[in-house]
Amino acid sequence: QQKVQQSPESLSVPEGGMASLNCTSSDRNFQYFWWYRQHSGEGPKALMSIFSDGDKKEGRFTAHLNKASLHVSLHIRDSQPSDSALYFCAASELNNYAQGLTFGLGTRVSVFP
Amino acid sequence: EAAVTQSPRNKVTVTGGNVTLSCRQTNSHNYMYWYRQDTGHGLRLIHYSYGAGNLQIGDVPDGYKATRTTQEDFFLLLELASPSQTSLYFCASSMTTNERLFFGHGTKLSVL
Repeated sequence: QQKVQQSPESLSVPEGGMASLNCTSSDRNFQYFWWYRQHSGEGPKALMSIFSDGDKKEGRFTAHLNKASLHVSLHIRDSQPSDSALYFCAASELNNYAQGLTFGLGTRVSVFP
Repeated sequence: EAAVTQSPRNKVTVTGGNVTLSCRQTNSHNYMYWYRQDTGHGLRLIHYSYGAGNLQIGDVPDGYKATRTTQEDFFLLLELASPSQTSLYFCASSMTTNERLFFGHGTKLSVL
């Protein structure tokens, strides 16, 4: 079973709209989350991390973490065509970094004019 | 921005062939990683290292060897390549395992 599960698999958003992506961990040891974005033909690039309950905002991106349910979301405000990409959620143990990151399968976001 | 360079960008080999994928980082990072990316499986960790001469096993190590010769260089070796190893391979680096990973552009490997 995938330890980090993402939904939806794909998402279409109008330019200027809000995109909302979800991620859940089935491993209670995973409490440190990252969001990565991958444009076609490139390697993934880190967007932001979150490990405290609540919201974290960086520009047009807001991550929200609920540690009780191990659910993290990413919201992209005022979506732009350049936001069209594959978005990965990744998780690791908060106090045991030796194993590195476990990635989900990704959510493909398409922003249409 | 941190730089991770992979070579080659594309590689075609035959079943049973010998392949070496190269990765160099100039970020002075301690950790380096090899991932493979496949549709339906996301990114899966093959091997990683926290310094020259060190090697740690990842989640999908079977059929792969790796060697970290210097702080900068990390190699992935497929000594008897199989079609199941056809994939997009990414190298990444980070200072510690809880800091962001910087990825290279990837190597597309086809095993015929």
